Amino acid sequence: LAKTTQPISMDSYEGQEVNITCSHNNIATNDYITWYQQFPSQGPRFIIQGYKTKVTNEVASLFIPADRKSSTLSLPRVSLSDTAVYYCLVGVPMEYGNKLVFGAGTILRVKS
Amino acid sequence: DTGVSQDPRHKITKRGQNVTFRCDPISEHNRLYWYRQTLGQGPEFLTYFQNEAQLEKSRLLSDRFSAERPKGSFSTLEIQRTEQGDSAMYLCATETGGAGYTFGSGTRLTVV
Repeated sequence: LAKTTQPISMDSYEGQEVNITCSHNNIATNDYITWYQQFPSQGPRFIIQGYKTKVTNEVASLFIPADRKSSTLSLPRVSLSDTAVYYCLVGVPMEYGNKLVFGAGTILRVKS
Repeated sequence: DTGVSQDPRHKITKRGQNVTFRCDPISEHNRLYWYRQTLGQGPEFLTYFQNEAQLEKSRLLSDRFSAERPKGSFSTLEIQRTEQGDSAMYLCATETGGAGYTFGSGTRLTVV
């Protein structure tokens, strides 16, 4: 399973756009990139998933360059409630019995 | 209820006691996973069920740990002769082959 590298922590202010970059140099051809969000005392929550170029949903955007060795999660106009840990994972989502491999994640602190 | 439910939310036990946790998955999700999360770390895979069959166990799952999923519905995770190192958040997740897992809120175990 591809290993991922993310910043340990990031600080931002309300209303700003936040970009969290994840490196995954050994990503395999069939791997997808998935991001999860986790609040204290809760389980992780799926945010977004992509394979290449750009994916956008109501919560975030995911930018993936052509070489797919990195990806950037973009959170537009963050609020205090976006303070959480964000995990970047790579793997094959449809694979039979695909278990998720989490790193330590990025702690995002949003300040007022 | 459309989410994954875990019970209890918190459990404090004395070292050497046995504990059992329960996970009630989303009804149409046939895959169920147990993860363990310690402070400051991402969740770590423990074991996985496809319906009632336990198909994979992590090396983290020592002989003191046992998991069941009778009739492919709810699942239980039992820890025998608990040790202080077992203190962690135990997370249950389910999925059915689509994008993203659904995690429960977890059971926080404290062994004193």
